[in-house]
Amino acid sequence: QVQLQQSGPGLLKPSQTLSLTCAISGDSVSSNSAAWNWIRQSPSRGLEWLGRTYYRSEWHSDYATSVKSRIIINPDTSRNQFSLQLNSVTPEDTAVYYCVRDMNGFRDWGQGTLVTVSS
Amino acid sequence: DIQMTQSPSSLSASVGDRVTITCRASQTISNYLNWYHQKPGRAPKLLLFAASSLQGGVPSRFSGSGSGTDFTLTISGLQPEDSATYYCQQFYTAPLTFGGGTKVEIK
Repeated sequence: QVQLQQSGPGLLKPSQTLSLTCAISGDSVSSNSAAWNWIRQSPSRGLEWLGRTYYRSEWHSDYATSVKSRIIINPDTSRNQFSLQLNSVTPEDTAVYYCVRDMNGFRDWGQGTLVTVSS
Repeated sequence: DIQMTQSPSSLSASVGDRVTITCRASQTISNYLNWYHQKPGRAPKLLLFAASSLQGGVPSRFSGSGSGTDFTLTISGLQPEDSATYYCQQFYTAPLTFGGGTKVEIK
C-alpha cells in the first residue's frame, strides 16, 4: 500500500516561492518503474499536470509548458520523498496541489494541499 | 502540447442508462489514454489504463475503447454512485495532459 504525505505552506504572497514536499511510504522514489508527479486543480484551469521526476538508470524530469520557466521537481533519496518548487507565484497559481505516483496511470494521490496566493 | 477534448461537458441520465463519454486527442496517441473519475472533495481515481484495461476493484459496467485520436468511456447501467466528474488523460508524450472533464449527474 503506497501512501503519499504532503507538507508545505498553504498561503503565499505574489512573487514568493511555492515549496511542497511529498513523503513516500510503500515504494521508493528511486523505483525503476514509477514516476513521481505534481498535479494541481483549480476551477479555472481544471486538472493540470505540472511535472514529474523519475529514475531509469539516471534521473529525468519533465515539466508542463505553462510553468516550465519557473518549476523544479527534485527527488530526495535520503528521505524517500520528492519536492515541488514553483517560483514567482501569482494569484493564478491558487489551486489544490497533489503529489501523485504514476504506475501505469495516476494510481496513488496525496491528500492535496490548498495553496492560496493573495496579497 | 497534445490537447484533449471531452464531450459532452455535462450530462444527466437515469439509473440503469447506458452513458457514453468521448475524448479526442489533437494528434494520434495510440492507446496511451487513461480514464479517471472524481467525486467532490476527493482526488481523482483511476478507472481504466491504456484505453481499455479496467483497474482492479472497478466495476465491470465501466469500459473503454478507442485508439489513435478518438476514445470512448462507457458506463453500462448507470448507478447512483457513478455521479462524478470524468476525465481522460494522455500519456503518449510529455507534457501529460487532461481533458476538461465531463460531469455526470443522476436524474
